[in-house]
Amino acid sequence: DAGVTQSPTHLIKTRGQQVTLRCSPKSGHDTVSWYQQALGQGPQFIFQYYEEEERQRGNFPDRFSGHQFPNYSSELNVNALLLGDSALYLCASSRDQGVNYGYTFGSGTRLTVV
Amino acid sequence: GESVGLHLPTLSVQEGDNSIINCAYSNSASDYFIWYKQESGKGPQFIIDIRSNMDKRQGQRVTVLLNKTVKHLSLQIAATQPGDSAVYFCAETSGGYNKLIFGAGTRLAVHP
Repeated sequence: DAGVTQSPTHLIKTRGQQVTLRCSPKSGHDTVSWYQQALGQGPQFIFQYYEEEERQRGNFPDRFSGHQFPNYSSELNVNALLLGDSALYLCASSRDQGVNYGYTFGSGTRLTVV
Repeated sequence: GESVGLHLPTLSVQEGDNSIINCAYSNSASDYFIWYKQESGKGPQFIIDIRSNMDKRQGQRVTVLLNKTVKHLSLQIAATQPGDSAVYFCAETSGGYNKLIFGAGTRLAVHP
């Protein structure tokens, strides 16, 4: 049984560009949450998607947007990239929105903005 | 892989010793807490959780203690092994349990 799958694993973008990161949740999970982890820090919550809607959002600007598809997979889009957006982006999936329902993290996408 | 634990406080222990990792959480309304282990190049991995109506919970070689009075969590690892070397984060949540708030993290280095 595959866990949470994220793609790509690494990418390098230039300031001002746009990027799309992808996440496939664990089988049986219907909720996807995205986190940003800067080097040397704990992950910070970006937003959560459930039933194809954004259900909760952290303190991130509108440059960060997302989408959830009918098969529960999700995308994170970041527009107008800044150097400070360089981080590990983590996707977590769970059942029924709750972190106490098998919340499982993927290995992340390492984004470097130059 | 790139180090997750760069610039984090480090706890160094000898193999076989017991380790205690501490965490101060931020929100007095938080009622569910999780400890995660993160190895380089990987996402956080669930270790153990505890609800606010408990003050202690034990797993295999791990124990979590919760002190709500001072908003403090600790993770105790018995007979620490080299494979326990990683960065450890505590995380808290409340209400709808939709999001986790992570602490700063501690890097555990186990020496043979």
